[in-house]
Amino acid sequence: EIVMTQSPATLSVSPGERVTLSCRASQSVSRNLAWYQQKPGQAPRLLIYGASTRATGIPARFSGSGSGTEFTLTISSLQSEDFAVYYCQEYNNWPRPVFTFGPGTTVDIK
Amino acid sequence: QLQLQESGSRLVKPSQTLSLTCDVSGGSISSGGYSWTWIRQSPGKGLEWIGYIYNGGITDYNPSLKSRVTISMDRSKNQFSLELTSVTGADTAVYYCARAGDYIYFEYWGQGTLVTISS
Repeated sequence: EIVMTQSPATLSVSPGERVTLSCRASQSVSRNLAWYQQKPGQAPRLLIYGASTRATGIPARFSGSGSGTEFTLTISSLQSEDFAVYYCQEYNNWPRPVFTFGPGTTVDIK
Repeated sequence: QLQLQESGSRLVKPSQTLSLTCDVSGGSISSGGYSWTWIRQSPGKGLEWIGYIYNGGITDYNPSLKSRVTISMDRSKNQFSLELTSVTGADTAVYYCARAGDYIYFEYWGQGTLVTISS
């Protein structure tokens, strides 16, 4: 089973700042990587799939990059509504279908 | 707009069976190319993929839960279901239903339902 790790666990940021979140896979997942945003009491919301493609309706300030085992989610200028927990998820489907999520990074107000 | 809504027992006794249903509106579960999925989230284990059903009845399950999980679908009611047997406190979690496409990332989610395992 692929193990996903995320860093940092928590990030304290001021509105307007640039934010970079990291996600690492224990083995290559190619570009089969998605990012989600979750706010308290809500389901996760898909932000990015295919490592760098924004989902429908996602603002351009969210961008993803990486391939293989190292991935990054960048928020170019943090807005108040972006304070949330961010998860990565691999969907490599190899060696068998087990789709694992990272433990999450909490972005909170500095 | 596709919408998913979980329903079912919110309190289950240890060793019994957890049963949940996901009602789908705004689209048909009979449409090809989608994987109808259950995911759970607990403080201890984070987000965990439970399994999915696709192509009208083919299922894949997380190996860690495979011996206890059954996912099924009822096309006439446009819903799919989860059964998890022999539950323990470790199965206490918020359970989500979700939809994926050919690639298994989840664009549509239900609001989630908290299931507590307790006597």
